[in-house]
Amino acid sequence: KQEVTQIPAALSVPEGENLVLNCSFTDSAIYNLQWFRQDPGKGLTSLLLIQSSQREQTSGRLNASLDKSSGRSTLYIAASQPGDSATYLCAAATDSWGKLQFGAGTQVVVTP
Amino acid sequence: GAVVSQHPSWVICKSGTSVKIECRSLDFQATTMFWYRQFPKQSLMLMATSNEGSKATYEQGVEKDKFLINHASLTLSTLTVTSAHPEDSSFYICSARDWGDSNEKLFFGSGTQLSVL
Repeated sequence: KQEVTQIPAALSVPEGENLVLNCSFTDSAIYNLQWFRQDPGKGLTSLLLIQSSQREQTSGRLNASLDKSSGRSTLYIAASQPGDSATYLCAAATDSWGKLQFGAGTQVVVTP
Repeated sequence: GAVVSQHPSWVICKSGTSVKIECRSLDFQATTMFWYRQFPKQSLMLMATSNEGSKATYEQGVEKDKFLINHASLTLSTLTVTSAHPEDSSFYICSARDWGDSNEKLFFGSGTQLSVL
């Protein structure tokens, strides 16, 4: 069974610093790897999706890498802002239909 | 982007009652929707896959008779928590995929916080 782990569980940085969030998965046979943002008591917002054949995806200040062989993905957020404070979840898609295995998330606080 | 609407956002109910949660795809057709549950400080756990016009597929350990799923149309799936008890208190969230979107992203509802007294 696929297991997804996120380290660290929580992270606090001053505004302007770069953020590095780690995600690891046990089964390299993934369909894709997705990163989401969750605000307290709210739903999820999709940030980046990396297909299994891709190495990275970029959107604005966000960059996510994928190394299937080592079972790792990393989300980089450049020049963090207080508005980036949220919980970030990574999820491995185990099939093409959309079934996801989530990590427990990294709670990020960016202080002004 | 595609929008998934989930209602209600909050519900408080007495133990033993049933609660229905709706998940709608507003601007696309969703033949498949997913239902997740999230306990505080924990990850989202997939409960079941909802398929339009057929029975839902439940994950191991999820009681079918406890969590009734109906996907009667291409835009609506409902989750009914039957005879709810305090241990069912959790954050429930649905997701759907827009098969017309080549990006293959999943879109999530805003979630439902269920509190059973």
